[in-house]
Amino acid sequence: DVKVTQSSRYLVKRTGEKVFLECVQDMDHENMFWYRQDPGLGLRLIYFSYDVKMKEKGDIPEGYSVSREKKERFSLILESASTNQTSMYLCASIKMDSFYGYTFGSGTRLTVV
Amino acid sequence: EDQVTQSPEALRLQEGESSSLNCSYTVSGLRGLFWYRQDPGKGPEFLFTLYSAGEEKEKERLKATLTKKESFLHITAPKPEDSATYLCAVQGSGGFKTIFGAGTRLFVKA
Repeated sequence: DVKVTQSSRYLVKRTGEKVFLECVQDMDHENMFWYRQDPGLGLRLIYFSYDVKMKEKGDIPEGYSVSREKKERFSLILESASTNQTSMYLCASIKMDSFYGYTFGSGTRLTVV
Repeated sequence: EDQVTQSPEALRLQEGESSSLNCSYTVSGLRGLFWYRQDPGKGPEFLFTLYSAGEEKEKERLKATLTKKESFLHITAPKPEDSATYLCAVQGSGGFKTIFGAGTRLFVKA
């Protein structure tokens, strides 16, 4: 069964901490994405990557960075966590030029206190 | 600017009571419109891709249709296990970005 795995389901961090969210996919997909999901706002794209070491900003990149050193792994970094970054974070992947829709991970619910 | 609006925000149905969810969109050069199902505490699960006006796709009790401005997700004789949030998304000709709507929360009561 193909899978996108996010390392943590729930995280609680303090304001100012550096936070790492990890995502691994086993489908040899080129494209990987990080979204955040907030009630009433839907999914908003933070960053995406279409190849190893390549990254592109999405709609809301401020306060975040990403790393893709290997094809299967895409990491989201909150440089200095703030309370307004409390959210559900979703990782997704898709094969280049595929239109079968994204495969999503189960999400990480991050609370910043 | 590409945009997706879903209505209603929430829908409560009795088991067996058929209905439709709406997704209105504006996009430059539609490459694909997607429907996903999301259960509480989980990531969205892909259901359908529609490419052009007039196209229809079916899966069990769900049927998705597409016009030039909107898509409908028809639910025929729903069951409690159909309760979930249904997300609509579009991808335009501009590239990788997929724009998601806020979703419709569906509750089906036995």
